[in-house]
Amino acid sequence: DGGITQSPKYLFRKEGQNVTLSCEQNLNHDAMYWYRQDPGQGLRLIYYSQIVNDFQKGDIAEGYSVSREKKESFPLTVTSAQKNPTAFYLCASSTGRGRIQETQYFGPGTRLLVL
Amino acid sequence: GQQLNQSPQSMFIQEGEDVSMNCTSSSIFNTWLWYKQEPGEGPVLLIALYKAGELTSNGRLTAQFGITRKDSFLNISASIPSDVGIYFCAGDLRNTGKLIFGQGTTLQVKP
Repeated sequence: DGGITQSPKYLFRKEGQNVTLSCEQNLNHDAMYWYRQDPGQGLRLIYYSQIVNDFQKGDIAEGYSVSREKKESFPLTVTSAQKNPTAFYLCASSTGRGRIQETQYFGPGTRLLVL
Repeated sequence: GQQLNQSPQSMFIQEGEDVSMNCTSSSIFNTWLWYKQEPGEGPVLLIALYKAGELTSNGRLTAQFGITRKDSFLNISASIPSDVGIYFCAGDLRNTGKLIFGQGTTLQVKP
């Protein structure tokens, strides 16, 4: 089955702790994205990567970091600098080629809670 | 930043009724996408629109890319209980791959 997987489904963070959210895709997509969703709100872009070993900040990158060492993987680290990390985190990918590059497909999400 | 205004914010309808929601912007978009999200899950793509004036159907769902390229609407005909969820529009301004999302329309269907 081709798709996007995110793990874990739920993640708990203690004060001052860094945590890493996993995102893997086997769709052979070049571009990958991380979004944050707060209750009753739309999605806000944290980071995106259009090719391996390259990534750009989105609208709310402060307190987050990413890496893109492999095409299939785009992990997101929520650092201790992120003071309000409780949210639903969504990973997405797209082909990154041609007019359909904008069509993004989403993973099932990770809910991060602060203890 | 850029905004997409999605309306209505929520709808509570009777099973069998038709539903209509729309997104508007002051900017011109090259792509419009409609997603549905169920509680605790990621958004699922319903319809993708790439050309001004384009009208596309997916079962009981129909979406259109506005002629001005500043708006899009989604219609659901003969709603059923499993249509419940949050519907999001999303647009790409410049084929950058960076989507801008509407705030979502929460749909509830009464059997």
